[in-house]
Amino acid sequence: DAGVIQSPRHEVTEMGQEVTLRCKPISGHDYLFWYRQTMMRGLELLIYFNNNVPIDDSGMPEDRFSAKMPNASFSTLKIQPSEPRDSAVYFCASIQDGGGTGELFFGEGSRLTVL
Amino acid sequence: KNQVEQSPQSLIILEGKNCTLQCNYTVSPFSNLRWYKQDTGRGPVSLTIMTFSENTKSNGRYTATLDADTKQSSLHITASQLSDSASYICVVSEGGNKLTFGTGTQLKVEL
Repeated sequence: DAGVIQSPRHEVTEMGQEVTLRCKPISGHDYLFWYRQTMMRGLELLIYFNNNVPIDDSGMPEDRFSAKMPNASFSTLKIQPSEPRDSAVYFCASIQDGGGTGELFFGEGSRLTVL
Repeated sequence: KNQVEQSPQSLIILEGKNCTLQCNYTVSPFSNLRWYKQDTGRGPVSLTIMTFSENTKSNGRYTATLDADTKQSSLHITASQLSDSASYICVVSEGGNKLTFGTGTQLKVEL
């Protein structure tokens, strides 16, 4: 398997524009996570899915953020409208075992810069 | 509030030397503790996962220890190499999918 695949790797956009980040989890993994990483706050969980169903979205900062998982092999994180404070690296991760002891595999991240 | 504190924040060592990174946590309940290595511009990669009953685990030149009584963990790197330059992140799980991340120790290995 190629691992967790994210696109785009880099995105530069202007304030107010819509941003869509994409993720393909590892085949057979039932859980998918979206994280945001900044220098100040480290890695923060935004939302996670189990079998394509959102389970916990308490980390989503505000209504401008939304995430979907239409099928087991694809998820999107959308920011609309984007703001400069949304600039960060966004990681997607997946895990097979949701019981807490399985290995969490991360993608390479999408670096977002909002001007 | 569950917290994971790592020290030092950054560290510079010479190639071939050993080093130890520290992680203190207040997460409760405790399920397992993980160490990740994150190269610049890349995603984190798992090094070790330790449950309550494990007090040491090795992965090549990386050895993690866990003291669940004092809620402390360390990651020891032996005979460091330039490729060990990275951020090392300690992550503590309450169980299920509740993970608390430390902010990492930035390690630089120099010639």
